Amino acid sequence: GNSVTQMEGPVTLSEEAFLTINCTYTATGYPSLFWYVQYPGEGLQLLLKATKADDKGSNKGFEATYRKETTSFHLEKGSVQVSDSAVYFCAPLITGANSKLTFGKGITLSVRP
Amino acid sequence: DSGVTQTPKHLITATGQRVTLRCSPRSGDLSVYWYQQSLDQGLQFLIQYYNGEERAKGNILERFSAQQFPDLHSELNLSSLELGDSALYFCASSLSGSSYEQYFGPGTRLTVT
Repeated sequence: GNSVTQMEGPVTLSEEAFLTINCTYTATGYPSLFWYVQYPGEGLQLLLKATKADDKGSNKGFEATYRKETTSFHLEKGSVQVSDSAVYFCAPLITGANSKLTFGKGITLSVRP
Repeated sequence: DSGVTQTPKHLITATGQRVTLRCSPRSGDLSVYWYQQSLDQGLQFLIQYYNGEERAKGNILERFSAQQFPDLHSELNLSSLELGDSALYFCASSLSGSSYEQYFGPGTRLTVT
C-alpha cells in the first residue's frame, strides 16, 4: 500500500527565511503527488501537484519536484511570509478505480514577523 | 471557497448518541470522500462514494456508515458515540472516482462529552 513520511514538526521560521519540508513516499506504480495546506480553522486546500517524474509543481511561491529516483517530493519556498503559517500535508495518489489520497501526518509551520 | 459545503459546523453530543453529518459536493463532482482528523491519528480516510455507490473503504469503524444520495449529497452517520470519536470530519469531492484533485469542505467539528 501507499505510505508517506514527512519530516517531524513543528517548524518555526522568521519571515523571509527559506523553507524546506521533506516528504518521501512509498507507493506501488507511479503515483501523482500532491501538497495540501490547511490554514487555521479551515479545510484542506490543494497547494500544488506533480503527475509524473521530474515534473515541478508550483503555486504561491511554493515549489516541489517529483523525484522518482529518491521517491521524494520536498516542498520549498524561498521567502516565507507570516500568512504561510499553516499545516502542510504531502499525499501520493495512485490513480485508478479505487484511487485515494494517502496523507502524511502533516507538519505545522509557524512564521514569525 | 472550495464549493464543498458541510453541515453542521459544530456538533456537541453525549456518549452513546447518534449523529448525522451532511456534505454537498462541488457542482458537477460525482465522488465524495469522508475523512476524520484528530490530534493523535492525523488525517484518516474513511470512505468514498462515486455516483451513489461505495467505491473505496478506509479506516471506517463499524459504528459509522455513509451513503450518497441521487442528488449526490452525502451523509456520514456516527452511532454509539465514544469520547474518542471527537474529531474534525471533512468531506471532499472530486470530478470522478479516480480524480487527481479533491476539494475539501470546511469540516464539522464533533465533540463527544
